[in-house]
Amino acid sequence: AQSVSQHNHHVILSEAASLELGCNYSYGGTVNLFWYVQYPGQHLQLLLKYFSGDPLVKGIKGFEAEFIKSKFSFNLRKPSVQWSDTAEYFCAVSRSSGNTGKLIFGQGTTLQVKP
Amino acid sequence: SQTIHQWPATLVQPVGSPLSLECTVEGTSNPNLYWYRQAAGRGLQLLFYSVGIGQISSEVPQNLSASRPQDRQFILSSKKLLLSDSGFYLCAWSVRQVSSYEQYFGPGTRLTVT
Repeated sequence: AQSVSQHNHHVILSEAASLELGCNYSYGGTVNLFWYVQYPGQHLQLLLKYFSGDPLVKGIKGFEAEFIKSKFSFNLRKPSVQWSDTAEYFCAVSRSSGNTGKLIFGQGTTLQVKP
Repeated sequence: SQTIHQWPATLVQPVGSPLSLECTVEGTSNPNLYWYRQAAGRGLQLLFYSVGIGQISSEVPQNLSASRPQDRQFILSSKKLLLSDSGFYLCAWSVRQVSSYEQYFGPGTRLTVT
């Protein structure tokens, strides 16, 4: 069965530090990859997505992620975090084929940025 | 533009009572619809999804059921709630188009079973 693993459950950083959140998935076929973010008190929203093409994708608020197919990974990065990046981050995977669009989510990473 | 509504926002129910959570989508037609449960430290678990009216697929065996009586309405129900049903329930929708299954989430319902 498909699964998604996020390595870091709780990350604490100071402002301006660099961020990298790990995400690995288990599925041998073609996948779509997503990072979602949930800011305190807000809806879950899309941060960035990969469907095909350039494996380095850029999202909102200076985030980027790199798809490494050989490693089944889709790690999220940001060169310099801000206090406003404090949130919970979820990696998710769906199969490219089929018509259901079902997403399998990782368990989430809570990021706390200290001012 | 598209919007997704969920209600109620919070709910406290006793064990053994029934449940009905509603989700509606505006501004789109024939969406895929999804119910997730979010538990602390466990991410989002897909409970049900629907690709059309009356078409429901269950992802995990549980005490809950779902229905889609209208194109943009998705309902999560239970006849008798269990303590383990407590959690944060999220509804989501996506447009069915080739290679694009980005999902858009509602504000969620916080359910506490006492």
